[in-house]
Amino acid sequence: DAGVIQSPRHEVTEMGQEVTLRCKPISGHDYLFWYRQTMMRGLELLIYFNNNVPIDDSGMPEDRFSAKMPNASFSTLKIQPSEPRDSAVYFCASSWVVLGAYTEAFFGQGTRLTVV
Amino acid sequence: QKEVEQNSGPLSVPEGAIASLNCTYSDRGSQSFFWYRQYSGKSPELIMFIYSNGDKEDGRFTAQLNKASQYVSLLIRDSQPSDSATYLCAVTNGNEKLTFGTGTRLTIIP
Repeated sequence: DAGVIQSPRHEVTEMGQEVTLRCKPISGHDYLFWYRQTMMRGLELLIYFNNNVPIDDSGMPEDRFSAKMPNASFSTLKIQPSEPRDSAVYFCASSWVVLGAYTEAFFGQGTRLTVV
Repeated sequence: QKEVEQNSGPLSVPEGAIASLNCTYSDRGSQSFFWYRQYSGKSPELIMFIYSNGDKEDGRFTAQLNKASQYVSLLIRDSQPSDSATYLCAVTNGNEKLTFGTGTRLTIIP
């Protein structure tokens, strides 16, 4: 498997524009996580899905952020409208539970978002 | 109070010495505990996980868990320059919500 694949790797956009980040999890994984990482706040969990269903979106900062997982192999994180304070590295990660035990989360390479 | 707390460092350790990294968590219901390593500009990668109280060893790495005191630590023996990175502590609750600390930056001095 190629691992978790995120696109784009880098995104520079102007304030007010819509931004869509994409993620393809590892096949067979039933959990998908979206994280945002900044120097000040570290790695923050935004939302996570189990079997394509959003379980906890309490980390989504505001209504400008939305996430979907239409099928087991694809998820998007959308920011509309974008603001400079959204600039960060956004990671997608996937994992699975084996025999009731949680296993490691595998991370994608991240998308570095810069909003100017 | 943050759910997972770590000293941000930087922590400087001479090559060959033992590096000790600590993490505390607030949710007594936390069930699984993980240490991730993140090199600058890269994504986090798992080093170790631990579920039960006590020590768990894997090569030069030892994870220690004390649920009564709500802390987990990572010891790195015979530290190498390649161990220089940010180390992230993460915990899950019964709903598999994986929450990270802000990380400790470790520098191994040759």
